[in-house]
Amino acid sequence: TQLLEQSPQFLSIQEGENLTVYCNSSSVFSSLQWYRQEPGEGPVLLVTVVTGGEVKKLKRLTFQFGDARKDSSLHITAAQPGDTGLYLCARSRYNQGGKIIFGQGTELSVKP
Amino acid sequence: EPEVTQTPSHQVTQMGQEVILRCVPISNHLYFYWYRQILGQKVEFLVSFYNNEISEKSEIFDDQFSVERPDGSNFTLKIRSTKLEDSAMYFCASSGQSMNTEAFFGQGTRLTVV
Repeated sequence: TQLLEQSPQFLSIQEGENLTVYCNSSSVFSSLQWYRQEPGEGPVLLVTVVTGGEVKKLKRLTFQFGDARKDSSLHITAAQPGDTGLYLCARSRYNQGGKIIFGQGTELSVKP
Repeated sequence: EPEVTQTPSHQVTQMGQEVILRCVPISNHLYFYWYRQILGQKVEFLVSFYNNEISEKSEIFDDQFSVERPDGSNFTLKIRSTKLEDSAMYFCASSGQSMNTEAFFGQGTRLTVV
């Protein structure tokens, strides 16, 4: 089983601070996805990273895929209360029906 | 914007009862999934469905679970005899013309077994 370990599990910060969330595995992935889930809703895809060393930006969010394609990070600059939510890394097994395996998530709380 | 819709949003049932959770995937999607999320835990894969048959299922998806696409629009998850530990959020998802396209999730059904 290819597990995804996320850290930290919980993060509580003040508005304006920067933060980084990590996703690690012992396995190499062809791609990795980041989702955001708000309470009472389903996960929403933020980004897919495919190439080792790839960096993608989505406004104040920066996603990086490790050179060895075994880890990824999500960095948020100047966090806002609207960034509060559960951030999930995930991988899809495209050769087996597109099944998505999720990490346990990082619960982020940004206080005004 | 097309979306995956799930009904009901909340279902309370007595232990041992059967429940059917309903989903309407995005209309031109071909791949359908059910996931569940027990409170405070991670989102777990249950089953994927393609071409009117199960393509993969997890160890959670035992004989108590079944899925069906009874018509061209609905995708259902049935739990035959619910247990307390089945209490969770159940998410339906669908993806498009190939397995490599993004999966879109519904808002979930909160199942509470009492």
